[in-house]
Amino acid sequence: KQEVTQIPAALSVPEGENLVLNCSFTDSAIYNLQWFRQDPGKGLTSLLLIQSSQREQTSGRLNASLDKSSGRSTLYIAASQPGDSATYLCAVSGAAGNKLTFGGGTRVLVKP
Amino acid sequence: NAGVTQTPKFRILKIGQSMTLQCTQDMNHNYMYWYRQDPGMGLKLIYYSVGAGITDKGEVPNGYNVSRSTTEDFPLRLELAAPSQTSVYFCASKRDRGGNQPQHFGDGTRLSIL
Repeated sequence: KQEVTQIPAALSVPEGENLVLNCSFTDSAIYNLQWFRQDPGKGLTSLLLIQSSQREQTSGRLNASLDKSSGRSTLYIAASQPGDSATYLCAVSGAAGNKLTFGGGTRVLVKP
Repeated sequence: NAGVTQTPKFRILKIGQSMTLQCTQDMNHNYMYWYRQDPGMGLKLIYYSVGAGITDKGEVPNGYNVSRSTTEDFPLRLELAAPSQTSVYFCASKRDRGGNQPQHFGDGTRLSIL
């Protein structure tokens, strides 16, 4: 059974500092990995999707890497801003490509 | 562009009551999902569907039922509501199995069972 872990559960950084969020998974036979952002009381917004054949994806200040062999993904957010404060969740899709398994999330606070 | 729409946004039920959470998407997506999220936790899959007429259990299906009579709609039914079903419920969809297809989420239904 796939298990996804995100450590730390919470993170506080001063504005301008780079954010590094970690995600690990136990079964390397994944189809893809997604990073989501969740604001309080809201749904999930997809940030980046990395297919199993890819090593990284970039969008603006966001960069996500994937190392399937070690079961790890890292989300980097450059030059953090208070607006980046949210919970970030990673999720992996199994080999069948039809279901996501979520980590518990990392709650991020960027202080002005 | 509405995307994934969930109704109601909030609901309070008494123990033993039943209700249906509605989910509809206007993106002609084949795959649809129901998740629950307990406070401070990630999402757990309840049921999913890969097309009209096809449904399958996820990780935590007990106490719930679904149907998929159309591509657009994927309602979730709670029978005999229990306090353990107090949670936030999210519906999601994606176009197909393709590895580059992200899941799109609704804003959730906050359900309290008292």
